[in-house]
Amino acid sequence: QKEVEQNSGPLSVPEGAIASLNCTYSDRGSQSFFWYRQYSGKSPELIMSIYSNGDKEDGRFTAQLNKASQYVSLLIRDSQPSDSATYLCAFSGASKIIFGSGTRLSIRP
Amino acid sequence: DVKVTQSSRYLVKRTGEKVFLECVQDMDHENMFWYRQDPGLGLRLIYFSYDVKMKEKGDIPEGYSVSREKKERFSLILESASTNQTSMYLCASTWTGMGNSPLHFGNGTRLTVT
Repeated sequence: QKEVEQNSGPLSVPEGAIASLNCTYSDRGSQSFFWYRQYSGKSPELIMSIYSNGDKEDGRFTAQLNKASQYVSLLIRDSQPSDSATYLCAFSGASKIIFGSGTRLSIRP
Repeated sequence: DVKVTQSSRYLVKRTGEKVFLECVQDMDHENMFWYRQDPGLGLRLIYFSYDVKMKEKGDIPEGYSVSREKKERFSLILESASTNQTSMYLCASTWTGMGNSPLHFGNGTRLTVT
């Protein structure tokens, strides 16, 4: 079993709709979870951190964490063309941060 | 705002050359990391460091070494560059207590070895 699994996509969402990105992880001891956005040719940029079960909202972004089910998700409301990017989930492992391979999101006008 | 600066955005080197990639952070972070990122393979950890003069191997250390002489600076060294080291290299840093702290990335260095 991979340490973290993400659907590679591409996920195509119409402009203005809600984009939903999901990630599952294997380490039950993980305490910290992160979502990064990466535009093509650029480095990853942190957009959300979440540490406890439930929802955390920041503008158009909502991160959801369910430790019992070992998944974390990211919702993007009112999707814009500028949201088209690859989204990486990450969580804290024993001595390092583990990254998923990313989901490519495309917002179509 | 955290600033992680990588010395070069693009680099072209020849096979067999010794290559230095430099990274500097301005937030007094204890932990620094070097990753490479390739299409379809995601981010792979090469080396990391918890403190000055300390280093730990990541998942793919072969063909690389690192140096951390000062807290703010972490260098990645390719002793003898090979074409399979053509990649995007990303430096990152974070505070101690890494479990609760996200990584902050530099802009990346796209290295081409010919």
